[in-house]
Amino acid sequence: QVQLQESGPGLVKPSQTLSLTCTVSGGSISSGSYYWSWIRQPAGKGLEWIGRIYTSGSTNYNPSLKSRVTISVDTSKNQFSLKLSSVTAADTAVYYCARDSGVILDYWGQGTLVTVSS
Amino acid sequence: EIVMTQSPATLSVSPGERATLSCRASQSVSSNLAWYQQKPGQAPRLLIYGASTRATGIPARFSGSGSGTEFTLTISSLQSEDFAVYYCQQYNNWPLYTFGQGTKLEIK
Repeated sequence: QVQLQESGPGLVKPSQTLSLTCTVSGGSISSGSYYWSWIRQPAGKGLEWIGRIYTSGSTNYNPSLKSRVTISVDTSKNQFSLKLSSVTAADTAVYYCARDSGVILDYWGQGTLVTVSS
Repeated sequence: EIVMTQSPATLSVSPGERATLSCRASQSVSSNLAWYQQKPGQAPRLLIYGASTRATGIPARFSGSGSGTEFTLTISSLQSEDFAVYYCQQYNNWPLYTFGQGTKLEIK
């Protein structure tokens, strides 16, 4: 059973860079034809897909965030990461990582709350 | 960008009754639509993909239908554990995924 776990700072100052890591267990991040995605959810609001990475390193990003987002992968550690630059209060949200079949998001992490505040 | 609109925002139904949730796409997404269930404090859980195929382990009381721009999620006989927020998601406009704003299913 694949499991995902997000980790990273829960508080980020405005204008700084948000950095999160997702650790995958229960299987190799490189096995199968899967992508690995990040999704976020502001409190009381809906879901926003941020972007994905394939283990080859190819990426896709939501156009609304593309200029500020970088997703990377470290197959040796079975991890992938999210960096979101120049954050504002509007980036405060629960951030989820998920396994992405290219069609659906079938396994999700529990989510981690990131608050942007000085 | 394809905009997904869910209705109603909140649906009040009694346990044992049927619930019908709607999702509309701003342009055709064929059958490239999924449904997720989210309970408070939890991550979303995949219920349906391909508009009508139940994901592994999802009870038969959950069913999906529709194609093009109009979709429905039906829960045939509501159980206490089914009260949650439900989201639709299109994947026709790959590589971009977009979600609806959600329907909260609450106990009447």
